[in-house]
Amino acid sequence: DQQVKQNSPSLSVQEGRISILNCDYTNSMFDYFLWYKKYPAEGPTFLISISSIKDKNEDGRFTVFLNKSAKHLSLHIVPSQPGDSAVYFCAAKPQTGNQFYFGTGTSLTVIP
Amino acid sequence: DTAVSQTPKYLVTQMGNDKSIKCEQNLGHDTMYWYKQDSKKFLKIMFSYNNKELIINETVPNRFSPKSPDKAHLNLHINSLELGDSAVYFCASSQVGQKQYFGPGTRLTVT
Repeated sequence: DQQVKQNSPSLSVQEGRISILNCDYTNSMFDYFLWYKKYPAEGPTFLISISSIKDKNEDGRFTVFLNKSAKHLSLHIVPSQPGDSAVYFCAAKPQTGNQFYFGTGTSLTVIP
Repeated sequence: DTAVSQTPKYLVTQMGNDKSIKCEQNLGHDTMYWYKQDSKKFLKIMFSYNNKELIINETVPNRFSPKSPDKAHLNLHINSLELGDSAVYFCASSQVGQKQYFGPGTRLTVT
């Protein structure tokens, strides 16, 4: 039972353009959402997060948007750079407990 | 200084063997985790330890056992290895409910 889904396994974007990565979830008890970035042969690294009391959080070139009614969040990267090429994982945690649920990842390729 | 380290990075072994993967964190976190990333790239939690108590066990076979000698270490022991255990195993740590810091992963191949 996959409660966090990333339906696009891959995405290619030209350098300088916007990258939009999407994530859907099914559990309405999730209240904390995170994005992780993963390079080959490395562990995931935290990128940005958002709590359910917000609908937007911005950190430099990265912005996460949360639509609670649609159970959808997205990560925007503007402008995209070749160094952003990696796999991006969406994760979510319910209000109670300490378990994080991860999506299957989206592989982003930024073309110079 | 590596925040979360795992050893070994690669592990190749035969079916039926017993093996261990070690994990250490120097972040002072009180919770540590083990995740399995299978061939479908799905990151699934196996265990987490908070203050030396197991608080999550996601229907993992009892051939897998976590061992935490102290707050900074969470080792993973696997008995009677099977082909289906081949995967990348990630250790992570965090303060309770906060973002996680991951180790570099251990690629286990069972032949």
